[in-house]
Amino acid sequence: TQLLEQSPQFLSIQEGENLTVYCNSSSVFSSLQWYRQEPGEGPVLLVTVVTGGEVKKLKRLTFQFGDARKDSSLHITAAQPGDTGLYLCAGVGANMRFGAGTRLTVKP
Amino acid sequence: NAGVTQTPKFRILKIGQSMTLQCTQDMNHNYMYWYRQDPGMGLKLIYYSVGAGITDKGEVPNGYNVSRSTTEDFPLRLELAAPSQTSVYFCAAGRQGARVALHFGNGTRLTVT
Repeated sequence: TQLLEQSPQFLSIQEGENLTVYCNSSSVFSSLQWYRQEPGEGPVLLVTVVTGGEVKKLKRLTFQFGDARKDSSLHITAAQPGDTGLYLCAGVGANMRFGAGTRLTVKP
Repeated sequence: NAGVTQTPKFRILKIGQSMTLQCTQDMNHNYMYWYRQDPGMGLKLIYYSVGAGITDKGEVPNGYNVSRSTTEDFPLRLELAAPSQTSVYFCAAGRQGARVALHFGNGTRLTVT
């Protein structure tokens, strides 16, 4: 049983489209993180959200932490082929657990 | 500054063989983790350590052992390899805190046949 449920599992879109991926849990987290992983490499941290309701923007990526600190979303505007990868959310704690990820493919 | 270094990069084992996956970090981070990632899947926590001399089980510890004698090193031991342990193994290190960022190695791809 995944502590963190991510959806969708797979997403394939055309360059220029917008998309949103979700990370949901029944548990409350002190903070939540998003990582991106490219083939053959380890995950790389994109952002940490700490406060319920927090919104963070990184260029075309917008991250939101739910008010109850149980869920989060990642919105990408005008997706580019370079955004292709596996997007993972993680609940921060001593035993850091990850969701199963959303595999995004952006076609030129 | 190498960050987190894992060796070997690739390994093929026969059923029943044993091996140690090495992980070392030069960032002086107190927290270290071992994850496995099966094809097309996310990361599952095997073991973690909050400091030298302290280790604890994660989600999928069966068939594995770890030790943490120094801050820098966190080896993962497979005693009797099984096909179900075929996976990519990632080691990570991070500092304590709500904004802790995990730094990952590039993984060890293990095949058990």
